[in-house]
Amino acid sequence: DVKVTQSSRYLVKRTGEKVFLECVQDMDHENMFWYRQDPGLGLRLIYFSYDVKMKEKGDIPEGYSVSREKKERFSLILESASTNQTSMYLCASSSLGQGSPSYSNQPQHFGDGTRLSIL
Amino acid sequence: AQTVTQSQPEMSVQEAETVTLSCTYDTSENNYYLFWYKQPPSRQMILVIRQEAYKQQNATENRFSVNFQKAAKSFSLKISDSQLGDTAMYFCAFMKWGSGGGADGLTFGKGTHLIIQP
Repeated sequence: DVKVTQSSRYLVKRTGEKVFLECVQDMDHENMFWYRQDPGLGLRLIYFSYDVKMKEKGDIPEGYSVSREKKERFSLILESASTNQTSMYLCASSSLGQGSPSYSNQPQHFGDGTRLSIL
Repeated sequence: AQTVTQSQPEMSVQEAETVTLSCTYDTSENNYYLFWYKQPPSRQMILVIRQEAYKQQNATENRFSVNFQKAAKSFSLKISDSQLGDTAMYFCAFMKWGSGGGADGLTFGKGTHLIIQP
């Protein structure tokens, strides 16, 4: 089974702090993703990465950055945390399909989430 | 850009009943994937079922099946013989079909909270 592990289940930080959320996957997946989940808004994509040192902005990248120095690890960074970044953060990973179109971009596997509170 | 709409914020049914969750989407893409994910109170997001847009046959996974209407851009989930363990948030999600590889994020609906009553 795919295992996506997020380093913290709950985290409390103060405004202005630099915050790191860590995610590790154990299936050698090429693709990794960060989403935030807010009540009534569903999940929204922040950033994703399809290879080491590669990153792409999602729908709501403002106030965030990411780092992918190793294939298995994808970090989300809040450069200067603000109260509007209080949310649930979910990491996901997926493998890259091989050849046949039906195997492109395999389904994403999610971690358990980090509930981040910014005070 | 894609949008996914789930019009039912909450639904409640009795155990063993059949329930249908609705999902509509908007896209200009011709090839894409649609998913239903389940998120129980434990927060783990679990893939329920997947549909490739180029396949006309509706996907089924045990008690879960979809009604995929590509022209209408509709993708509903039917749960048969509902069980207490089906209580969860259900999210409909869209993903573009990447050509030549490369990642693409999911676009989610806002979710439907399904409650199965004993």
